[in-house]
Amino acid sequence: QTVVTQEPSFSVSPGGTVTLTCGLSSGSVSTSYYPSWYQQTPGQAPRTLIYSTNTRSSGVPDRFSGSILGNKAALTITGAQADDESDYYCVLYMGSGAWVFGGGTKLTVL
Amino acid sequence: QVQLVQSGAEVKKPGASVKVSCKASGYTFTSYGISWVRQAPGQGLEWMGWISAYNGNTNYAQKLQGRVTMTTDTSTSTAYMELRSLRSDDTAVYYCAREVAVAGSRWFDPWGQGTLVTVSS
Repeated sequence: QTVVTQEPSFSVSPGGTVTLTCGLSSGSVSTSYYPSWYQQTPGQAPRTLIYSTNTRSSGVPDRFSGSILGNKAALTITGAQADDESDYYCVLYMGSGAWVFGGGTKLTVL
Repeated sequence: QVQLVQSGAEVKKPGASVKVSCKASGYTFTSYGISWVRQAPGQGLEWMGWISAYNGNTNYAQKLQGRVTMTTDTSTSTAYMELRSLRSDDTAVYYCAREVAVAGSRWFDPWGQGTLVTVSS
């Protein structure tokens, strides 16, 4: 059973930089997993932020960036704003049409 | 614009079935797949399965095998997800999402607005 790991929670000061990560219970995340990131605020559907590791979805501010850091996928927010306070989910492609979501990271901006 | 619009909230009794629809617009329906994702109250996102709108091929999450069926109606650009033998822990918001797979990239976009399914006696 593949488990995708994310930090349960993170805090960042307004204007600060934060990096959220997305790992595997066993093994390393690579671009072959097509890591993507989604932002969700309470009561809303997820919104696509980053796909294929580092491509920003249309309309996403450039303060959001994606990368591979070590053996994990990473989402970095540079210059965090109050409305970045959300839940962030990564998902990895396992092949044959199957995906596994991470447990999500609750980001607080204060 | 590309849009997925889902059917309304449902309340079902344990043991019953539910069928949620997801109507696509703004793109060629058969050129993409649809994944279904659910979110139990206060919990994270869970991938349920995928269907190709091109040929109807499916791949379901192992834990739902035997209880879930995903179908499409290409004449109306609508995808359906049916879940049977409902239990209380199936209470969740169910989302459809278009799966984009082009030139070595794969991701979900856009998402439907979600459908709340409540299972309660």
